[in-house]
Amino acid sequence: DVKVTQSSRYLVKRTGEKVFLECVQDMDHENMFWYRQDPGLGLRLIYFSYDVKMKEKGDIPEGYSVSREKKERFSLILESASTNQTSMYLCASTPTGREAHYEQYFGPGTRLTVT
Amino acid sequence: AQTVTQSQPEMSVQEAETVTLSCTYDTSESNYYLFWYKQPPSRQMILVIRQEAYKQQNATENRFSVNFQKAAKSFSLKISDSQLGDTAMYFCAFMKRAGGTSYGKLTFGQGTILTVHP
Repeated sequence: DVKVTQSSRYLVKRTGEKVFLECVQDMDHENMFWYRQDPGLGLRLIYFSYDVKMKEKGDIPEGYSVSREKKERFSLILESASTNQTSMYLCASTPTGREAHYEQYFGPGTRLTVT
Repeated sequence: AQTVTQSQPEMSVQEAETVTLSCTYDTSESNYYLFWYKQPPSRQMILVIRQEAYKQQNATENRFSVNFQKAAKSFSLKISDSQLGDTAMYFCAFMKRAGGTSYGKLTFGQGTILTVHP
């Protein structure tokens, strides 16, 4: 089975702190995604990466950056956390090519609270 | 750009009954895929069912089936013989069919919380 893991289930940070959320997948997938999930808004794409060191902005990239130094690991960085970044963050991965059309595999999520 | 709308924030159903969750979408694409994902309480999001837009036949997976109306841009999920384990948040999602290298980007709806009562 594909396994996508995230470094923390719950995280509490203070305003202004630099926050790292990490995601690791074990299926050699080329594509990895970061979403945030908010009530009434569903999941919104923050950034995605289609290869090591390659990234593209999603729909809501402001206030976030990402890093992908190794194929299996995709990090989301909040440079200076703010209270409006309190949310559930979900990581996902897919293979590339035709198989990308079949299913995204999700991690368990990190519930981040910024106080 | 694509949009996906789920107009039912919450639904409830009795165990063993049938429930239908609604989803509409807007796109100018002709080739795409539609999905229903399930997020159980405190558990990971998993794929429920997938529909290829160029196939007229509605997808079915055991108790789960869809009613895909391409012209109306409607994609509803029917759950038959509802079980307590079906209690979850359900998301409708759209994926453009890209040529060449495909990244599999999804656009999600707002979600519908489904509660199955014993």
